[in-house]
Amino acid sequence: GAVVSQHPSRVICKSGTSVKIECRSLDFQATTMFWYRQFPKQSLMLMATSNEGSKATYEQGVEKDKFLINHASLTLSTLTVTSAHPEDSSFYICSARDAGDSRILSGANVLTFGAGSRLTVL
Amino acid sequence: AQKITQTQPGMFVQEKEAVTLDCTYDTSDQSYGLFWYKQPSSGEMIFLIYQGSYDEQNATEGRYSLNFQKARKSANLVISASQLGDSAMYFCAMREPSNTGNQFYFGTGTSLTVIP
Repeated sequence: GAVVSQHPSRVICKSGTSVKIECRSLDFQATTMFWYRQFPKQSLMLMATSNEGSKATYEQGVEKDKFLINHASLTLSTLTVTSAHPEDSSFYICSARDAGDSRILSGANVLTFGAGSRLTVL
Repeated sequence: AQKITQTQPGMFVQEKEAVTLDCTYDTSDQSYGLFWYKQPSSGEMIFLIYQGSYDEQNATEGRYSLNFQKARKSANLVISASQLGDSAMYFCAMREPSNTGNQFYFGTGTSLTVIP
């Protein structure tokens, strides 16, 4: 089945530094990837929709300059948290949609999620 | 209004019993999809089951079934014969079309604990 690899799974950084998180679709092409943020015991909050070859679409309230998203290829999207601060500490998860998934024919459009990246900013 | 509402923050069920996790949704679109995901403590999101708005029959996947009541806008997940490994967070989600493609909305989740 479809697999999405997310790296790193855990990162600790100092305040003021930038951190890059990668999201790769291993066995399918993903024209669209999604980035979420999850606070402890809370739901996923969609941050942005990443489209291959074009600018990401950010949700209201998400700082574009703070959370840089690049989707340079059909299998890779990156999220860079710039000048990280302790309040950016969170669990970040990506998901990808396989355009070739046959279930799309029935409208399923299932997302495959990465394992998530836990960011801790000291 | 909330797109997806999960009113049960925590649920307990005895092993081998069935449990229903509630989910209601809000949309004015005719074409939409409903999903359930399982999130174990590791954090990964695991797809469980899907129901299309035009599907007349309730979706089933092994021990999972989706009780789809369109008029009530509810999409409850039923887990039969609960197992200890079912202990996790469960999220209900909805896909609906938007100008930028499809938009996904997630509920706040229900924490399920299976008791031996």
